[in-house]
Amino acid sequence: VLTQSPATLSLSPGERAALSCRASQTVTKYLNWYQHRPGQAPRLLIYDASNRATGVPARFSGSGSGTDFTLTISSLEPEDFAVYYCQQRSSWPWTFGQGTIVELK
Amino acid sequence: QVQLQESGPGLVKPSETLSLTCTVSGASIDSYYWTWIRQPPGKRLEWIGFISYSGAANYNPSLKSRVTISRGTSNNHFTLNLESVTSADTAVYYCARATTSDGDLFDYWGQGILVTVSS
Repeated sequence: VLTQSPATLSLSPGERAALSCRASQTVTKYLNWYQHRPGQAPRLLIYDASNRATGVPARFSGSGSGTDFTLTISSLEPEDFAVYYCQQRSSWPWTFGQGTIVELK
Repeated sequence: QVQLQESGPGLVKPSETLSLTCTVSGASIDSYYWTWIRQPPGKRLEWIGFISYSGAANYNPSLKSRVTISRGTSNNHFTLNLESVTSADTAVYYCARATTSDGDLFDYWGQGILVTVSS
């Protein structure tokens, strides 16, 4: 089971965001992050804990291994206010966290 | 640019079969792994399964007895059939492309379609 925290993060543009995803058992490095803006298709941001997907800005970074992972947005842009999900691909069937909402303060 | 678009009825009656189509542009379904994922209201995303470029399918055990994912016979699309639906199957359904041989990394998604199960 993947548990994301906090449920909601209220921040202003330019601030740093740190989102957590904790697994109930080790997923080694096989943890992905997705961004979902309302009315749009979800977007792959980070795969295998720390690799940015094609076209993802450098302000997005991922870290962690084992059971504890973090998605960091170094300086929030207006388009970054969205829901973020983690997903593990270590143990079939693949599962997702419940999401963290990054909202405008 | 790869784009996926879900289509199908937004309302299905209990005990009937939910059928959705995902139309793909910018990529051929003769490559990669083509996936369905859903999100019931207030709940987390749930991986349903995929159909591979070769026609092999892999399903979530929680749904395996009721689900079929298949490739379209013409055009560039794939379909989801979910039998004997109940209100618990009410969800936003997404199609997605998976890039790995285990079908576990989703690099392109559709916008999703809300399907409500109700009489």
